[in-house]
Amino acid sequence: RKEVEQDPGPFNVPEGATVAFNCTYSNSASQSFFWYRQDCRKEPKLLMSVYSSGNEDGRFTAQLNRASQYISLLIRDSKLSDSATYLCVVNRQAGTALIFGKGTTLSVSS
Amino acid sequence: DTGVSQDPRHKITKRGQNVTFRCDPISEHNRLYWYRQTLGQGPEFLTYFQNEAQLEKSRLLSDRFSAERPKGSFSTLEIQRTEQGDSAMYLCASSLTGGEYSNQPQHFGDGTRLSIL
Repeated sequence: RKEVEQDPGPFNVPEGATVAFNCTYSNSASQSFFWYRQDCRKEPKLLMSVYSSGNEDGRFTAQLNRASQYISLLIRDSKLSDSATYLCVVNRQAGTALIFGKGTTLSVSS
Repeated sequence: DTGVSQDPRHKITKRGQNVTFRCDPISEHNRLYWYRQTLGQGPEFLTYFQNEAQLEKSRLLSDRFSAERPKGSFSTLEIQRTEQGDSAMYLCASSLTGGEYSNQPQHFGDGTRLSIL
C-alpha cells in the first residue's frame, strides 16, 4: 500500500463546477500536509498547505482530519486554468522528504 | 529569476553512458532535495542535503547514483551506466529549514528530463 493514496481520476468537469479531491495517508506520525499543482510536463508548485483547522485560499478550501488520516481539496467555480494534476503531499518531519500521492488529473471544459 | 535552476532541461543519451545534472537552489535555502518522477506517478524522493551534508538517501538511490553538494550551494546528481529504467524527470527542490523556519515549503526547479535510448 502506498503511503499517500489519492482518487485516481481523471475528473472532467464544466466551468463553474465544484470539484472535490480526497487523499488518505498511512503514517499517523506525519506532521505537515500540502496540495501541490502540476501542469503537464512542468514542475510541481505549492498550491496550499493544509491545517487541522481547515484553510481557504480564494476558491480553494483544504481540510485535514488527523483521526481519519484524510485530506481533501475543494475547488469552487472551476476555471479552465484549473486544469492540471493535483498532488496530495505529506511530510513526516519538517525539512525532510515529501511523500507524494500519484496525483489526480482535473480537466475543466467550457 | 531567483527560483531553483536546473541544467540541462533535457538529456538524451545511450544506455550505459554516464550523465550528470546540476541544481542551483534558491540562494538562502539550506536544504536541497532530489526527486525522480516517471510518467503517471508523483515525484519520488531520492536524497537531500543540509548545506553540504547528505542527510538521507532513499532505497531508490542505487549505487549507480551519486549526489554531491560540495560547498553547500549547488548540487550535482550523477548516474553511472544508465539503464532504460532511469528515464524520468529529475526534480530538484530547496527549502529554508530550522529555527523559525520549521515548516517552510519546498520549491521545485523545472526539472531535467532524461531519456535513455
